[in-house]
Amino acid sequence: NAGVTQTPKFQVLKTGQSMTLQCAQDMNHEYMSWYRQDPGMGLRLIHYSVGAGITDQGEVPNGYNVSRSTTEDFPLRLLSAAPSQTSVYFCASSYRGLYGYTFGSGTRLTVV
Amino acid sequence: SQQGEEDPQALSIQEGENATMNCSYKTSINNLQWYRQNSGRGLVHLILIRSNEREKHSGRLRVTLDTSKKSSSLLITASRAADTASYFCATDSNRGSTLGRLYFGRGTQLTVWP
Repeated sequence: NAGVTQTPKFQVLKTGQSMTLQCAQDMNHEYMSWYRQDPGMGLRLIHYSVGAGITDQGEVPNGYNVSRSTTEDFPLRLLSAAPSQTSVYFCASSYRGLYGYTFGSGTRLTVV
Repeated sequence: SQQGEEDPQALSIQEGENATMNCSYKTSINNLQWYRQNSGRGLVHLILIRSNEREKHSGRLRVTLDTSKKSSSLLITASRAADTASYFCATDSNRGSTLGRLYFGRGTQLTVWP
């Protein structure tokens, strides 16, 4: 099924550990983004990309890295997990932002 | 930030009634989008309205956009219990240095009682 696939769905990390959240889309979308959603805060943009090899920071980029080596994949790396990074993370993609974004089902991350 | 702000934060209505949610934003936009999120799920795109459009319909949804007031509204007519969800507006400038950025508001929680 065409769409945005995020893995894993759930993850528990210890403070200081690192990990990569995976995101893949098969719709040949150029734009891809990572958001985090916290209670009462809506969705906040972490990093985004408008094409392979091009990434930029959003509203809350600290503690996260991204890369975009292919059109299909946009992994999000947590360098040294902190309890403040406990959140639900969503990946989204769009055809040049023209017709709205397709979201993945999310990764629920807990840092203890 | 170009973040939109929805109003009200929470809305509770009976089935069959209409639900109206409002969104205000701060800077010029290329388009404004509305999304729905059911509890524990990802966001689903509902409708996109471009800056040169004033009104758009999709099924029971009606969206208006007033760029002079930097505001939008989402109307759900004849609401159903299945419409219970959080609704978010998102703004897209899609030009220059903001290309690729989509900013969300904090959402309106809609509860529709049977």
